[in-house]
Amino acid sequence: GESVGLHLPTLSVQEGDNSIINCAYSNSASDYFIWYKQESGKGPQFIIDIRSNMDKRQGQRVTVLLNKTVKHLSLQIAATQPGDSAVYFCAENIFGGYNKLIFGAGTRLAVHP
Amino acid sequence: NAGVTQTPKFQVLKTGQSMTLQCAQDMNHNSMYWYRQDPGMGLRLIYYSASEGTTDKGEVPNGYNVSRLNKREFSLRLESAAPSQTSVYFCASQGTGRANYGYTFGSGTRLTVV
Repeated sequence: GESVGLHLPTLSVQEGDNSIINCAYSNSASDYFIWYKQESGKGPQFIIDIRSNMDKRQGQRVTVLLNKTVKHLSLQIAATQPGDSAVYFCAENIFGGYNKLIFGAGTRLAVHP
Repeated sequence: NAGVTQTPKFQVLKTGQSMTLQCAQDMNHNSMYWYRQDPGMGLRLIYYSASEGTTDKGEVPNGYNVSRLNKREFSLRLESAAPSQTSVYFCASQGTGRANYGYTFGSGTRLTVV
């Protein structure tokens, strides 16, 4: 079975509730941020991104909020469904002549019926 | 289907054995990456290739070598496997331009070194 994520912080929610997953990023020079979803046994999958000149971006059932003052990123999932159960990673892009994403450790989202 | 293909999906090695993990992308991306993922530690960059013909070390390069064979293929080699290299390995590629910095990941290679 999949062992990745065994020791990650876990957010448990009821199906239909809204979920908020938080992430603190490391570099004030980062100007692009991405949220990824990783289901058991699969590679990370792009969910939504945001640039540093924005503080909010909405997708389908997901919203990303960016607070540059405190270097904080959050992912909000509306009406959480069992299919949303996964590990969620934030990533920051630090410019310096090349593009290289730095990933957070991740948060496990467990959705209960 | 367009995307990143990794082979093999599973592998068990004995300590000291060597092997090469293969990765290919068909999206005409310039940049390719190799990450390892360990429990509770997120994704750590091993090596990357910003363009065909170039490779650079990432955060945890020791014990690995890479080859950017052409624009499509980026392989990761373990010359003498150690138990500490037991992990899940992901290859990713990235498009160019400010409109497309998101990575596309392969499905991973689960490596166990005994």
